[in-house]
Amino acid sequence: QVQLKESGPGLVQPSQTLSLTCTVSGFSLTSNSVHWVRQPPGKGLEWMGGIWGDGSTDYNSALKSRLSISRDTSKSQVFLKMNSLQTDDTAIYFCTRPGYPGWFDYWGQGVMVTVSS
Amino acid sequence: DIVMTQSPSSLAVSAGETVTINCKSSQSLLYSGNQKNYLAWYQQKPGQSPKLLIYWASTRQSGVPDRFIGSGSGTDFTLTISSVQAEDLAIYYCQQYYDTPYTFGAGTKLELK
Repeated sequence: QVQLKESGPGLVQPSQTLSLTCTVSGFSLTSNSVHWVRQPPGKGLEWMGGIWGDGSTDYNSALKSRLSISRDTSKSQVFLKMNSLQTDDTAIYFCTRPGYPGWFDYWGQGVMVTVSS
Repeated sequence: DIVMTQSPSSLAVSAGETVTINCKSSQSLLYSGNQKNYLAWYQQKPGQSPKLLIYWASTRQSGVPDRFIGSGSGTDFTLTISSVQAEDLAIYYCQQYYDTPYTFGAGTKLELK
């Protein structure tokens, strides 16, 4: 069955770079896209960006200058890197797989990332 | 970017009531090529990931009870929950997938009266 699981550090210092991994199973990264969505504590959902089956990427323009999404198809992993973190980047970060063409039907459990010194 | 505006932000209900949540987009989500509205609804309970309820504005995801009904077209959409049950207490979000960046509404919190 389709599964996604996020992993990464729970605490990142301000100005540092966040690196998260989404490990997927039950589907192929070459024929499906994986996206990242984040949710600050007590707030709503923000689409960050995604990597499509052909390897191309799409980013939220508000984050584009700081964000990079890549993948390793051999390991069934998708990576998120975001630099210059600030306290308002504190959030739960979810990876999610959309059904065509863009509703999100499978989600990881999410990983809480706190930006603090 | 397409802005999604949800109302109300919170709603207090009693079990058995019917509730309506509204979602308005800043531009039409109706694609003329297939006459489909690129709008989804999600339910999120505390400590959980969002759960897809509705896509194409009115198609229920497999396993979603038929008391959840999505309607609307163009820029105005509605999620109706008939005969609300205690397990329906959650935050509900609409999302457009007409164009990237995909955007969500701010959410509607359904609470017990």
